[in-house]
Parts: sequence; structure tokens; C-alpha cells
Amino acid sequence: GAVVSQHPSRVICKSGTSVKIECRSLDFQATTMFWYRQFPKKSLMLMATSNEGSKATYEQGVEKDKFLINHASLTLSTLTVTSAHPEDSSFYICSARDVLAGETDTQYFGPGTRLTVL
Amino acid sequence: GQNIDQPTEMTATEGAIVQINCTYQTSGFNGLFWYQQHAGEAPTFLSYNVLDGLEEKGRFSSFLSRSKGYSYLLLKELQMKDSASYLCAVRDSNYQLIWGAGTKLIIKP
Repeated sequence: GAVVSQHPSRVICKSGTSVKIECRSLDFQATTMFWYRQFPKKSLMLMATSNEGSKATYEQGVEKDKFLINHASLTLSTLTVTSAHPEDSSFYICSARDVLAGETDTQYFGPGTRLTVL
Repeated sequence: GQNIDQPTEMTATEGAIVQINCTYQTSGFNGLFWYQQHAGEAPTFLSYNVLDGLEEKGRFSSFLSRSKGYSYLLLKELQMKDSASYLCAVRDSNYQLIWGAGTKLIIKP
């Protein structure tokens, strides 16, 4: 099946710093990637939809200036958490849609990044 | 509003069968997905249903009734490694995925 990598898997940073998370589709092209956030024992919360070569579409309540998304190529999207605060600590997961998947249009998930802001 | 309902938690015995139900109310329907998520890991794709009926894939089967807004995931011959959360997600008319809160499945020996 399709493979999506995410880096780093874990990151601990100080309050006020910025953290960049990379999401790569390794064996397929993904014109669309999604960024999710998941709190403990909660379901996935879609933060934004990232389209290659265009601006990301953010969900209501998600600050676009705080969560910067760049989708520079068909295989890479990045999420930068700027001026991180302890409340940004969470599990961030990306997923990529395989353009050739057809009607199934399955999203393949990266392994996730555990962010802890001190 | 859009809503996906599934039980919060279920317990089953190793070797047995368990059925996890999902009911949905969404603006449009373009398919229903089941994902498995182990604690601390990202979800992995299990199944996709867009037409009514049963889709079987090894020990796992998924059923859909669009008229009832209902799906279930059936797990047979349960193994300890099946202990995980199972997420139901529906793709609406805008092709957005609407996620359920997940069902935590606990398998006992």
C-alpha cells in the first residue's frame, strides 16, 4: 500500500519557538494532503487541507498565521507551528490522497508527530 | 448538522466475533471508511463502502445500508492485537471526511 512518512516523530520545544513538521508521500503523488490534530482519547480534528501549488484551506477556528502550511511539491507538505505554546502540545497527523486512487480516494496517514511544548 | 455515532468502548474475548456499529447523518454521502488506530499511532485504512452490502476482507468485514445511515465493522477470530480504536468516517457531498469519535475495543484473553 501507499506509504506516507512524517518527520520528526517526536519533538519537544520551548514555548515561543517554532517547529516544522514534514509529511511526504513516498511512493505516490499527492495533490492533496491533510493535516489533523488529535487530543488524547479524542477523534481526529481536521486542521487544514493542503493543495499542491496553492494556499491551504483552513478549518474554522484554526489560525492560519499560527499553523503555516506549505505544499511545495506533489510529495511534500510541511506544517510549521509558530510561536508554540503549551496548549499546542498534541499529536499531529498528516494524510495524503493518492491521485490515482479513483473513487476509493483513500487517505493514507503518516505515523504522526508528538509535539510537546514546555 | 453532521453527526457520526459509534459506541465509545466495547469489550470482547479473544477468538470471538465483535460488531462495531456506526450511524451517520451527513449532508450527502460519497462513501464510508473504517480505520484502525492503535494507541499513540496514526490510523490505518481498513475498508471502504459506497454501495449497500457487505465487503469482506479476511477477518474483517464492513456492511453499509445507505437508506438507514448505518454501517458496521465485523471482526472475526479476534486476536489480542485487534485491541485498538476503530474510527468510522463518512465522506459528504463536498468530499470532506466527517469523523466519528472512535470505538475503543478491548480484547480479553
